[in-house]
Amino acid sequence: AQSVTQLDSQVPVFEEAPVELRCNYSSSVSVYLFWYVQYPNQGLQLLLKYLSGSTLVKGINGFEAEFNKSQTSFHLRKPSVHISDTAEYFCAVSDPTNAGKSTFGDGTTLTVKP
Amino acid sequence: EPEVTQTPSHQVTQMGQEVILRCVPISNHLYFYWYRQILGQKVEFLVSFYNNEISEKSEIFDDQFSVERPDGSNFTLKIRSTKLEDSAMYFCASRRQGFYEQYFGPGTRLTVT
Repeated sequence: AQSVTQLDSQVPVFEEAPVELRCNYSSSVSVYLFWYVQYPNQGLQLLLKYLSGSTLVKGINGFEAEFNKSQTSFHLRKPSVHISDTAEYFCAVSDPTNAGKSTFGDGTTLTVKP
Repeated sequence: EPEVTQTPSHQVTQMGQEVILRCVPISNHLYFYWYRQILGQKVEFLVSFYNNEISEKSEIFDDQFSVERPDGSNFTLKIRSTKLEDSAMYFCASRRQGFYEQYFGPGTRLTVT
């Protein structure tokens, strides 16, 4: 079984400030890790993914995340946020078996203030 | 760029009625999924489907739910007798064999009254 914990339910930040959204996971097997963004009344858009290789992954919209196996974390970062980054962010782990279902965290609401 | 599509975008139904939510996955994808998101809550896995059969389902996916791939392009979720607590956003997703990122559709908002 696998689970995902997003440590912050809400993160308010001022425009152009850096931000980190924290995600920890637990699994008895190796997993694949993802961050999705959901804008109001919209679907889920893939921001970035970690499957293997370099532990620092870069995604769209200037976001990046670092996989830390020893701490079972996959924190999302952006050095300078924009008002348009205001959204809900979900961390997810994917079962590497053939079924490949994803387990999502509770989400973090990022609010960027002017 | 190919994308997953879902219809309708919003469905309102009365308690006890049957609903069918439709999805068209990306054409060369072989794995299909349904997830739901109750308002303000996290996204929950319902079912995965591969090679014309269910490969995994959650405890949410009880006898009231069924999935089908009636032709080469559509993937449907049927709820036989809807309950108030079925009100949620339902997302379809698909992925290619050997690749683990899932592509999500825009969702169908189901409102049961």
